[in-house]
Amino acid sequence: EVVLTQSPGTLSLSPGERATLSCRASQSVSGSYLAWYQQKPGQAPRLLIYDASNRASGVPDRFSGSGSGTDFTLTISRLEPEDFAVYYCQQYGSSPQFTFGPGTKVDLK
Amino acid sequence: QVQLQESGPGLVKPSETLSLTCTVSGGSVSTNYWSWIRQPPGKGLEWIGYIYYSGSTNYNPSLKSRVTISADTSKNQFSLNLSSVTAADTAVYYCARHGGFGENFDYWGRGILVSVSS
Repeated sequence: EVVLTQSPGTLSLSPGERATLSCRASQSVSGSYLAWYQQKPGQAPRLLIYDASNRASGVPDRFSGSGSGTDFTLTISRLEPEDFAVYYCQQYGSSPQFTFGPGTKVDLK
Repeated sequence: QVQLQESGPGLVKPSETLSLTCTVSGGSVSTNYWSWIRQPPGKGLEWIGYIYYSGSTNYNPSLKSRVTISADTSKNQFSLNLSSVTAADTAVYYCARHGGFGENFDYWGRGILVSVSS
C-alpha cells in the first residue's frame, strides 16, 4: 500500500501570502498519478490538480502542482479568502488502487 | 454538467447492512468508472471501491469482504452495500466519477451522513 504523508498538518497564513503544501509517498507514485483536492466545511472535495501538475477545469491559475516519484507539492501563489480550506493529496496505483493523504489545513493567521 | 446525488438511510443498526444509491445526471453510468468514498466525522478520506461500465468492480482490500457495488444502467444509478456495520463505519459517504483515465475523481456528490447506532 502506498502511504501518503502531508506536511505541515496546519498552515497558518494571511491572504495574499504564498502557500506551499507537501505530499510525500512511501513509494514511487506510478505515472505521477497524484491529484490534489480542496475541501471546505460541509462540502465534498473538489479536484484541483491531476497527474501532479495539470489544473482541473475552472481552477484558478494561482494553484499549481509539481513533483514526481515520491515528492509532490501544491502551491497557492497568493491566497484568496476562499482558499482557506483542507487540502488532500491522492494517489492512483497499487492496491488499494486509491489512497489519500491525511490533509493539510490552511487557516487564517 | 455531471451531477451525483447520494440517497439512503441516515441511520443503520450495528451488524446490519448499509445500502446507498447514487443517482447520476448529466452523464451515464454506462461510461467511466464510478466510486464510493467515505469520510468519518473530522477525519480523512477512504476509497471504498469502484464499478466500471462493463460491470467489473474493484474494492479496497480493507473492506472487500463486506462491500458490494452494483449499477443499474436503466436508472443511471450505482449502489453500495456494506454489510456487518459497526460504529467505525459511521461516516459521510460520497459517490464520485473518475476523471482522466480513471486515476482521479472529478465529480462528487454532496455526500450523505450515515450513522451506525442502535
